[in-house]
Amino acid sequence: AQSVTQLGSHVSVSEGALVLLRCNYSSSVPPYLFWYVQYPNQGLQLLLKYTSAATLVKGINGFEAEFKKSETSFHLTKPSAHMSDAAEYFCAVRSGGSNYKLTFGKGTLLTVNP
Amino acid sequence: DVKVTQSSRYLVKRTGEKVFLECVQDMDHENMFWYRQDPGLGLRLIYFSYDVKMKEKGDIPEGYSVSREKKERFSLILESASTNQTSMYLCASSVNEKLFFGSGTQLSVL
Repeated sequence: AQSVTQLGSHVSVSEGALVLLRCNYSSSVPPYLFWYVQYPNQGLQLLLKYTSAATLVKGINGFEAEFKKSETSFHLTKPSAHMSDAAEYFCAVRSGGSNYKLTFGKGTLLTVNP
Repeated sequence: DVKVTQSSRYLVKRTGEKVFLECVQDMDHENMFWYRQDPGLGLRLIYFSYDVKMKEKGDIPEGYSVSREKKERFSLILESASTNQTSMYLCASSVNEKLFFGSGTQLSVL
């Protein structure tokens, strides 16, 4: 079975600082990996996805993630945090088969301090 | 824009009641999903459907059932609500790997 582990349930950064949210995956086949973001009182929306093309994936709002097979990681980064980035972030892996079922991590709450 | 609409934002029910959570999507997506979201546990898949009248159990189907009579509508049913089903319920539909989520229904079972 495929799974993802997000290291750190809560990350706090200062405005303008680097954002690094960690995600490690477990998969017996080449994975499809995703980052979703949930702003307060909203559903989740897709930030970016890795589907075996380029290992460095750029997403919306200045976020990017790098797929590292040797480390089984897919960490999310942003060079400079903005107050509007405060949200909960979820890493997810696609399960096998054609029904596009995703398995989500437990989430990381990002706080941005002024 | 894709729209996934959940019928209620907040719902309060009593233990033992039968509860229906409705979800409608307007993009003709074949795949639809019900997740529950709990603090510290992330999203857990309850059921999903890849076609009309087709359904599959997710990771935590116990105590729930679903109905997909029309392509655009996917209903989650709690046959006899219990307090441990108090949670945020999220519906989603998908095309390829991209999920589109509704805003969620916060269900409280008293």
